[in-house]
Parts: sequence; C-alpha cells; structure tokens
Amino acid sequence: DQQVKQNSPSLSVQEGRISILNCDYTNSMFDYFLWYKKYPAEGPTFLISISSIKDKNEDGRFTVFLNKSAKHLSLHIVPSQPGDSAVYFCAAKDWEKLTFGTGTRLTIIP
Amino acid sequence: KAGVTQTPRYLIKTRGQQVTLSCSPISGHRSVSWYQQTPGQGLQFLFEYFSETQRNKGNFPGRFSGRQFSNSRSEMNVSTLELGDSALYLCASSLGTEDYGYTFGSGTRLTVV
Repeated sequence: DQQVKQNSPSLSVQEGRISILNCDYTNSMFDYFLWYKKYPAEGPTFLISISSIKDKNEDGRFTVFLNKSAKHLSLHIVPSQPGDSAVYFCAAKDWEKLTFGTGTRLTIIP
Repeated sequence: KAGVTQTPRYLIKTRGQQVTLSCSPISGHRSVSWYQQTPGQGLQFLFEYFSETQRNKGNFPGRFSGRQFSNSRSEMNVSTLELGDSALYLCASSLGTEDYGYTFGSGTRLTVV
C-alpha cells in the first residue's frame, strides 16, 4: 500500500520556466512533509519541508504548497535551471518514520 | 563537519550469501534509519535505530536485520541473499528527536548475482 504517491515518473521543463512536481498521500496522520533531491550515485539531499499546520513554505526558488483537505502537496521551482535536473522525492512523516514517494525525474531542457 | 559515511560503496554478492553494510552518522546524531531504493519503488523504509535500540521497523522479512553501537554507528545485515535484494541501500542520520533534519549517505550499491 503506497501511502505517498508521485504519479508522474518524469517531467521535462524548459529552462527558465516553472517546474511543478506533485505528490499525494493517504495517511491523515502525516504531520510533516519534505522534498528531497537526488543525483545519480548520491544520497538524497534535503530541499524544503512544510509542517501540516501551514499551507505554504518558500525558500528561494523553491516553494512547497500543502492542501490538507485534498491530501496533496506540490513543489514549485521557478525559474528552473539546468542544475535542477535530478530525481525528486516527496516524503511524509508520522510519529514513526519517513515514508517516501517513488520519485519524479525532472529534466530541465536548456 | 563530516557527513554520513556508508561503506562499502559497491558490493557484489552471490545468492545465498550474507552481507553487512556499515553506516557512520553525523557526529552527535543518535538516530540512524535504513532505506532500500529500487527502480520504481522509491525509498522503502527498513528500520530505525536510536540509542542502540531498534525504534521502528518496516515491512521487510527477517533476513534483514540491523544493530547500532554505542558510538551510534550502525550496521545492516542481509542473510541468504536473493536476486531481488539488489538495490541501493541508504542510511540517514538525524538527532532523533523532533528535529526532522535527516541527512543521507551516498549509499551502498548491492548487486546479487
């Protein structure tokens, strides 16, 4: 049972445009959400997070939006840069552990 | 400060063998979590150790086990290896409290032949 889902395995975006990565979850006990970025042969690196009591968190070019009623979160990257090409994982935390989605491969086209 | 160190980086084993992977967390971090990454499955949670005790466990068979030492270093063991165990194994360290700052190592790529 996949509690955290990233339904788009891949996404291609033109450099300079906005990248929007989506994530859906089913467990209402999740109280904290995170996005990680992963390059090949490296471990995931933390990007941005949001608590369930908020609906938006911004950090530079990265903004995460949380819609609790829809159990949906999204990551916006604007403007997109070539170095943003990577696999992005969303993760959700309950009292027990982090649960990851299956990832979305983002490719930025120069 | 030094990051999370996983050894070895690459490993090739034969079916039926057993393997031990090591993870050294960031200094001061008391929690170590282990994840398995396979294509199409994302990161699957294996278990978490905090202060030498297993605190949480994912849905993996008993062939997967781990332990944590007093210096917070952790090892993961897989016995009776199967072809399907081929994956990237990642560990993440954190303070283990309400801090949600998980830092990942670069992983150990295990190939079972």
